[in-house]
Amino acid sequence: NAGVMQNPRHLVRRRGQEARLRCSPMKGHSHVYWYRQLPEEGLKFMVYLQKENIIDESGMPKERFSAEFPKEGPSILRIQQVVRGDSAAYFCASRPGTDNSPLHFGNGTRLTVT
Amino acid sequence: AQSVSQHNHHVILSEAASLELGCNYSYGGTVNLFWYVQYPGQHLQLLLKYFSGDPLVKGIKGFEAEFIKSKFSFNLRKPSVQWSDTAEYFCAVNVQGGGNKLTFGTGTQLKVEL
Repeated sequence: NAGVMQNPRHLVRRRGQEARLRCSPMKGHSHVYWYRQLPEEGLKFMVYLQKENIIDESGMPKERFSAEFPKEGPSILRIQQVVRGDSAAYFCASRPGTDNSPLHFGNGTRLTVT
Repeated sequence: AQSVSQHNHHVILSEAASLELGCNYSYGGTVNLFWYVQYPGQHLQLLLKYFSGDPLVKGIKGFEAEFIKSKFSFNLRKPSVQWSDTAEYFCAVNVQGGGNKLTFGTGTQLKVEL
């Protein structure tokens, strides 16, 4: 059973471009979470999704950031018009539908904005 | 809202030394508690978790943690560290009934020297 797959591992974008980060959850997992890790900081919650639904987006910046988890295909975290402050590691985690099941994390995507 | 504090940001130990990493949380209700480890270049892995019952929990690789409710603490321990324990360690909590959304501490970077 493959783990949580994130791609790309490294992404370089110039200011103003768009960044798309992909996350394929573990097989059988219907819940996906996105976290951001800034240098010298812990992981900060961004958004929690189930298939086709956003459950909790309280950690998402109000502008430029969006997330989706379609019925088919991976979850996508999209950052429009990137700025240098968006440079960070973005981690995806997934879990099955059982309450209290622990999160399984991917290797992350390191975004660098130049 | 809940928060998590990890007081030691960087710890350096010699092999065979004992380890204790501090973790305190603030939240007035019932929480689940976790320790995750991130080895260099790898994804976060679950070391151990506490939901209820015996406050002393044992995890993988010889790690254990003790939940002390009166102190809002969940310190991680290992009697004798190995060079391969060099990694970053994250304490995390979620609120029961809160959608499994984790709140992380800032992490402790452990370096074990030969």
